Amino acid sequence: DAGVIQSPRHEVTEMGQEVTLRCKPISGHNSLFWYRQTMMRGLELLIYFNNNVPIDDSGMPEDRFSAKMPNASFSTLKIQPSEPRDSAVYFCASSFGTDLYGYTFGSGTRLTVV
Amino acid sequence: KNQVEQSPQSLIILEGKNCTLQCNYTVSPFSNLRWYKQDTGRGPVSLTIMTFSENTKSNGRYTATLDADTKQSSLHITASQLSDSASYICVVSARATNAGKSTFGDGTTLTVKP
Repeated sequence: DAGVIQSPRHEVTEMGQEVTLRCKPISGHNSLFWYRQTMMRGLELLIYFNNNVPIDDSGMPEDRFSAKMPNASFSTLKIQPSEPRDSAVYFCASSFGTDLYGYTFGSGTRLTVV
Repeated sequence: KNQVEQSPQSLIILEGKNCTLQCNYTVSPFSNLRWYKQDTGRGPVSLTIMTFSENTKSNGRYTATLDADTKQSSLHITASQLSDSASYICVVSARATNAGKSTFGDGTTLTVKP
């Protein structure tokens, strides 16, 4: 298994532009999580899905952020419009069942908004 | 409020030496505690997962302990290697009906020097 696959690995965009981050979870995993990591705030959960359904999006910072999971093998996190303070590393993670089994994280997308 | 505090914030040791990282938490009701290793530029990788009934778990040179009464955990690294240089993150989950939020510590940055 190739693990959790995220794309792109790096993204540099201008303020105001739309950014779409992509994630392919591990086959068979039914929970998917989007995290944001910054030096100041560490790892923060943005949203998680269970069986493709958003369960908790209370971590999504603003309406500018949206996430979708149209099927079990694909999810997107979109920021529109992007702002410099959105610059961070965004991780996708997946797991089977509850988090008792731990998460498998992707390699992350480093987003820089200038 | 659920919190996870890790200490020290950073640590420098010589190759071959042992070290212990600490994690104190106030998450309740407790479900499980996980230690992750995060190499620079990579996603976190799970080292150990412990539930309430487990008080020690090993993964190679890594040994985690859990005292659910005092709500403390430690990660002991034996005979450190240069490749152990990374950030070590303690994650604690509360019992929930769905795969849910976990509380992340800010991590301990370990540097192993030759």
